Amino acid sequence: GEEVAQTPKHLVRGEGQKAKLYCAPIKGHSYVFWYQQVLKNEFKFLISFQNENVFDETGMPKERFSAKCLPNSPCSLEIQATKLEDSAVYFCASSQSYSGGYEQYFGPGTRLTVT
Amino acid sequence: AQSVTQLDSHVSVSEGTPVLLRCNYSSSYSPSLFWYVQHPNKGLQLLLKYTSAATLVKGINGFEAEFKKSETSFHLTKPSAHMSDAAEYFCVVSDLRANTGNQFYFGTGTSLTVIP
Repeated sequence: GEEVAQTPKHLVRGEGQKAKLYCAPIKGHSYVFWYQQVLKNEFKFLISFQNENVFDETGMPKERFSAKCLPNSPCSLEIQATKLEDSAVYFCASSQSYSGGYEQYFGPGTRLTVT
Repeated sequence: AQSVTQLDSHVSVSEGTPVLLRCNYSSSYSPSLFWYVQHPNKGLQLLLKYTSAATLVKGINGFEAEFKKSETSFHLTKPSAHMSDAAEYFCVVSDLRANTGNQFYFGTGTSLTVIP
């Protein structure tokens, strides 16, 4: 498709429950990025993929967060045992290239609320 | 290392008057610079980008930005604000040459209010 699609739009989980978010990148884009927007204005990079391979995971909290991009499936971001501080909007973006200068196209985000 | 400073967290203008949103960056290499807009409860939309070609960049909806290397700035302007411009604006830098997976570094955003 021509837009990055993210599902669900909203997700509510009790503390300790699992949360799984999905992202379908733009067709033909090889790179996928996940960001966490905790406070209204702060974007934190989590992880990037080149096709199904992890490209850069320096932003991922290793203990509870995991992500995958499998062939012919939406990419996913999973949080095991959610905590209150995981409440945020999670954005997925895709890009044609890893090189600087290529814009990233963002999805509408998934708002995760942990209660 | 790359970083972005958006000098104003809030800007308020009257409809029909000029808009100026300020952004300064620091980059070890050759920066690519972007402005994105985020309307309430929406994702980020690209307004314009600079990638080492023309220093004056024109974007969508009448916005433009000028890359000034000597001032390490990439300020966003629009001659005449419209009510629909009210949104959050993010300045972003990435490194044109480093092999960092096109990692984006975001500013903290500027909230633009347009007064009728």
